[in-house]
Amino acid sequence: KNEVEQSPQNLTAQEGEFITINCSYSVGISALHWLQQHPGGGIVSLFMLSSGKKKHGRLIATINIQEKHSSLHITASHPRDSAVYICAVVGGATNKLIFGTGTLLAVQP
Amino acid sequence: NAGVTQTPKFQVLKTGQSMTLQCAQDMNHNSMYWYRQDPGMGLRLIYYSASEGTTDKGEVPNGYNVSRLNKREFSLRLESAAPSQTSVYFCASTRGEGAYNEQFFGPGTRLTVL
Repeated sequence: KNEVEQSPQNLTAQEGEFITINCSYSVGISALHWLQQHPGGGIVSLFMLSSGKKKHGRLIATINIQEKHSSLHITASHPRDSAVYICAVVGGATNKLIFGTGTLLAVQP
Repeated sequence: NAGVTQTPKFQVLKTGQSMTLQCAQDMNHNSMYWYRQDPGMGLRLIYYSASEGTTDKGEVPNGYNVSRLNKREFSLRLESAAPSQTSVYFCASTRGEGAYNEQFFGPGTRLTVL
C-alpha cells in the first residue's frame, strides 16, 4: 500500500464545476504539499500546509492532521485547470517528500 | 531569472552507454534534488544535496551518481544505462534543507534507454 493515496485517479469536469481532489496518507507528517503538473510536464508548487486551510485565487487546500487527510478544491473550474495534481507529504524516516501518484483532471468547455 | 534549468530535454541511449544530466539554478538555493517519474508511480527521490559539498542517497540511488559542482549546479550521471532507467528525470531546488520549503522544479529530461 502506498504511503500517500490520491483519489480520484482521473477526473473529468465541465467548466464552472466545483472540484475536489483528495489525499490520504499513512505516515506521520509535519507538512503537506500540493503540486500541479502541466500537460507539457512542468511541475509547480501550489500550496504547503501543516494545518487548517489555505486559499490562493480559485484554489483552496485543507488538511486534517488527525484524520491524515487533505483536500484540494477548485472553484469555478476552467479548461486551463486541466493538469495532474500531486499531493506530497513531509514525513517518514527520511523527512523527505513522499509523493502520491497524482490526479489527472480534465476540464471540458 | 531562469529558475531551474535542465539539459538535455530529450535523450535516447543504448544499453550500456553513459551520460550526464545537467541541472542549474539561479535562485541561490542551498538544497538540490534529483527525482525520477515513472508511469503509475509518484516522483521518487534519487539523490539530494543539502548544501554545496554534500550529497546523499534517496529512495532509488542504484545505477546513478551525482556531483554538486558548486552551489548552482547538480549533475546526475548514468554510468551504464539500463532499460529500467527509462524515465522522466526532474531536478528541483529549495532554499533550505528538507521538504519544509517550496520546491522549484526544472522542466524535466525524458530519457529512453533501448
